[in-house]
Amino acid sequence: AAGVIQSPRHLIKEKRETATLKCYPIPRHDTVYWYQQGPGQDPQFLISFYEKMQSDKGSIPDRFSAQQFSDYHSELNMSSLELGDSALYFCASNPPGARVETQYFGPGTRLLVL
Amino acid sequence: AQSVTQLGSHVSVSEGALVLLRCNYSSSVPPYLFWYVQYPNQGLQLLLKYTTGATLVKGINGFEAEFKKSETSFHLTKPSAHMSDAAEYFCAVSDDGRFNSGGSNYKLTFGKGTLLTVNP
Repeated sequence: AAGVIQSPRHLIKEKRETATLKCYPIPRHDTVYWYQQGPGQDPQFLISFYEKMQSDKGSIPDRFSAQQFSDYHSELNMSSLELGDSALYFCASNPPGARVETQYFGPGTRLLVL
Repeated sequence: AQSVTQLGSHVSVSEGALVLLRCNYSSSVPPYLFWYVQYPNQGLQLLLKYTTGATLVKGINGFEAEFKKSETSFHLTKPSAHMSDAAEYFCAVSDDGRFNSGGSNYKLTFGKGTLLTVNP
């Protein structure tokens, strides 16, 4: 079965650089979530999209922005990177319909800021 | 606001022993509850979930959890630990964040995680 795809899987950036993380949800899934998991931390919700519109926002820094495109893939854009942005970034998706509450997680993108 | 408390950041058991990972939640609405497992350098894998109905939920790899509303708990158990169970376990909660538009918003709030080690 198709799963959530994230790219790249690993990324190394310098401070103050920018990074773009991509998420391709499972086909026909219309809701995408982004989470950030710092070293030794629990995943923290960043932002979510439903039908290409932002549906909720969590602890996402102003330096970050995200969007969902017409094919439902999503991109997380991160500017002025800081050392503290080093983390594992997860994308998850939900299928449409009633009572579908289980998120399907991608493998994550590991970002290292030097 | 929802919150999840996992008692014990590190639990160590012997192979073959009972595994008990504790999770208590706080939610203003009937919650959906989940347990995820994360192996080193890997993503999150769903072990089991509670939404409605039977309060004892069985998941993969022999794990099960019981939703106890009166105790606001959702503890994870496994009768006999295996070496391959060594991993980080996260309890999570979401609510029925349905929008009027018919979309869904089931963002998860995670606990701090419990690292399970299994000794031979």
